[in-house]
Amino acid sequence: QPVLTQAPSASGTPGQRVAISCSGSSSNIENNYVYWYQQLPGTAPKVLIYRNDQRPSGVPDRFSGSKSGTSASLAISGLRSEDEADYYCATWDDSLSGRVFGGGTKLTVL
Amino acid sequence: QVQLQESGPGLVNPSGTLSLTCRVSGGSISSSNWWSWVRQPPGKGLEWIGEISHTGSTHYHPSLKSRVAVSVDKSKNQFFLSLRSVTAADTAVYHCARLDDSAGYFQYWGQGALVTVSS
Repeated sequence: QPVLTQAPSASGTPGQRVAISCSGSSSNIENNYVYWYQQLPGTAPKVLIYRNDQRPSGVPDRFSGSKSGTSASLAISGLRSEDEADYYCATWDDSLSGRVFGGGTKLTVL
Repeated sequence: QVQLQESGPGLVNPSGTLSLTCRVSGGSISSSNWWSWVRQPPGKGLEWIGEISHTGSTHYHPSLKSRVAVSVDKSKNQFFLSLRSVTAADTAVYHCARLDDSAGYFQYWGQGALVTVSS
């Protein structure tokens, strides 16, 4: 079982705002940076958010990240059909001394 | 532009050893601190396996630590994954990736190599 907990699925309609959550603990999310990755079918993951709420250049500002305590969230506003993908949170876990991923959330654009 | 490419056998016998190579081009393996392996079983999520620095320091996923080794050959600009005593549960697409040193995210990824464990 993944150390970080994500809902397996989420959905929204075009133009809507959706949020994907990631729940962890004091050994991971609470004391470390959170990263969010988008994975389109058949491709390698791509970073959307780093250090909790920072966007790499080229990532639209429709994507935003936040963190509070042992949880983090990725918000996508102005939902588009091309946002249909799997989304993963990731961080470092101090107890495991290693990197951990969430189980992933499959986003469907209705 | 840094590019990573995995290579190795696509089929491994149960109880055998899975060995993969990640060839790095467009940049020196010594220019970045951490080089990782991440796998994804068919239809499932991402799992971090382990990483190595250009100085040879390593971190491994605790559940794989007894079976895994990551090594580097700076002269060939390559790094490697070895996973011993494999079972069908190790069947996955294996990605190599480079961590961005300042921002801490996996910046560059290989396209992935499917390795099937089966007799």
